[in-house]
Amino acid sequence: QVHLQESGPGLVQSSQTLSLTCTVSGGSINTGTYYWSWLRQHPVKGLEWLGYIYYTGSTYYNPSLESRLVISIDSPNNQIALKLKSVTAADTAVYYCAKALGFGVSNNWFDPWGQGTLVTVSS
Amino acid sequence: ETVLTQSPATLSVSPGERVALSCRASQDVGTSLAWYQQTPGQSPRLLIYETSSRATGIPLRFSGSGSGTEFTLTISRLESEDSAIYFCQQYKNSNTWRPWFTFGQGTRLEIK
Repeated sequence: QVHLQESGPGLVQSSQTLSLTCTVSGGSINTGTYYWSWLRQHPVKGLEWLGYIYYTGSTYYNPSLESRLVISIDSPNNQIALKLKSVTAADTAVYYCAKALGFGVSNNWFDPWGQGTLVTVSS
Repeated sequence: ETVLTQSPATLSVSPGERVALSCRASQDVGTSLAWYQQTPGQSPRLLIYETSSRATGIPLRFSGSGSGTEFTLTISRLESEDSAIYFCQQYKNSNTWRPWFTFGQGTRLEIK
């Protein structure tokens, strides 16, 4: 069973770049079956899909965030990373990584999820 | 963007009862709908995908139905451990190479 664990700073200064890492264990990210995803959960706005990456390095982003977001893959370490630049208080949320599976690029659900990490953007 | 509206926002029921949670989509998503359960302090857990297929390890008490714009998650013989927030998620994308997944705002279920 695949297990995902997020890590990174819990506090980021406004206008700076938020950087998180997701370590995958129990399976290789270099499989052609899954997409490796980032999502977040705002206290009020709810759950939001940020984007995902395929083992080839192909990335797919939420259109509302793609100008600020980069997702990358570190195959030797079985990790994926997220960088979100120019953050504001609106980016304060619990950030999750998750495995996406389904029917190709655009028809996926998420299972399992990591435990999540709270990131607070301070001014 | 497909907007998902869940109802009711909150629900309080007794153990042993059955409950039906609703998820309505702003446009046709076919059967491309999943349900998740989130208990306090935990991350979401997949319950149902493709409208009615149970994820691995999910009890038969959980069932999904619907198509198009109207979907239902039914939980039978409620247990105290079912107290959680339930979210729906759609994954119907008209542009294959530009996925965009959206979630409902959740239904909070309390077992009295």
